[in-house]
Amino acid sequence: AQSVTQPDARVTVSEGASLQLRCKYSYFGTPYLFWYVQYPRQGLQLLLKYYPGDPVVQGVNGFEAEFSKSNSSFHLRKASVHWSDWAVYFCAVFLTGNTGKLIFGLGTTLQVQP
Amino acid sequence: NAGVIQTPRHKVTGKGQEATLWCEPISGHSAVFWYRQTIVQGLEFLTYFRNQAPIDDSGMPKERFSAQMPNQSHSTLKIQSTQPQDSAVYLCASSPGLGGRLEQYFGPGTRLTVL
Repeated sequence: AQSVTQPDARVTVSEGASLQLRCKYSYFGTPYLFWYVQYPRQGLQLLLKYYPGDPVVQGVNGFEAEFSKSNSSFHLRKASVHWSDWAVYFCAVFLTGNTGKLIFGLGTTLQVQP
Repeated sequence: NAGVIQTPRHKVTGKGQEATLWCEPISGHSAVFWYRQTIVQGLEFLTYFRNQAPIDDSGMPKERFSAQMPNQSHSTLKIQSTQPQDSAVYLCASSPGLGGRLEQYFGPGTRLTVL
């Protein structure tokens, strides 16, 4: 069955340090993948999207992600974390066909230490 | 562009009462989705409209939940006889759905609390 796994419920990094949030997907077919960010009491904001093509995609605020078919992964990275990046990050896979829905991971909470 | 608009932002109902949640998608988007978010279950798909037609309601609890999209500018999610387990944040999203653009844009959500 299609699924998304974010193995780290919480990640803590120091401000200015680099970041990687992990995402593994299970999907039969060509995946379309997304990362969303959720700030407290807000909806989800689209960070970046992967449509089949270049495996490294750029997003907003310096985020990028790399797709790996062999590893079934779509990890999120940022070179230098800012305190304002403290939020919950969700990875999602889009189910093609007639459904059109997103399957989400459970999310990773990023905490930023000063 | 105002983004996806959801009203109300917060709703409190008593057990057994009805709750109606409203969503206004981004103008020009052809697809509208409803999701439910809880701490335990995370983000769950409920239902999906394309060009106002219901396409997939596989995530909807069948007995008390219903969704409609009477026109291209709004969709409603209605929960009859609300139960405490219906307490959640209900998120609406819209998508261009054209030209291969599949990304979904979410509203701020409606937090439903059933006492």
